Amino acid sequence: QQQVKQSPQSLIVQKGGISIINCAYENTAFDYFPWYQQFPGKGPALLIAIRPDVSEKKEGRFTISFNKSAKQFSLHIMDSQPGDSATYFCAARRGNYQLIWGAGTKLIIKP
Amino acid sequence: KAGVTQTPRYLIKTRGQQVTLSCSPISGHRSVSWYQQTPGQGLQFLFEYFSETQRNKGNFPGRFSGRQFSNSRSEMNVSTLELGDSALYLCASSLFAGSNTEAFFGQGTRLTVV
Repeated sequence: QQQVKQSPQSLIVQKGGISIINCAYENTAFDYFPWYQQFPGKGPALLIAIRPDVSEKKEGRFTISFNKSAKQFSLHIMDSQPGDSATYFCAARRGNYQLIWGAGTKLIIKP
Repeated sequence: KAGVTQTPRYLIKTRGQQVTLSCSPISGHRSVSWYQQTPGQGLQFLFEYFSETQRNKGNFPGRFSGRQFSNSRSEMNVSTLELGDSALYLCASSLFAGSNTEAFFGQGTRLTVV
């Protein structure tokens, strides 16, 4: 029940296309859902986060869509650029407990 | 404002040895978490410290231990190293523990056990 399942494991998108990464969870007590971006040789960095009382949050080209009833949330990257090529992690947290992480998605944007 | 600093960046150790990794959080941050990252396994939570107290602990054997000092700097120790301990060890700091505060990661320490 503590797991966060992330898919796909890897994704190749043409430049200018939309990249979509999905995550599903079981624990309805989770109340914080961040997405992290990690470049090779670097630690993960927070990209965007959402709480379950909001169905969508947009920051520039990055959007989180949240479906509370389906217990799913997804990251959409609009107009994907080669510089977006990285590994993306979803995560979830309940209160003051530790973040529970998805397995990661390696995104490659082809020029 | 300096970021999270982890030292050393790279380390090569022999099976059976022990190792200590260091993490200096962002100034003012009181919470430090440690993660193990391996290909295909994502980030596995090791433990979290807040104000020198371990608050949460992941499912790792007792060979993995940590501590936090009064200045919030943290160390992680792994004893009796095994080949499977080869990984990137990441430290993250945040202002408070939990409470939806953003976690800032260091660049990690790449540990290779031979």
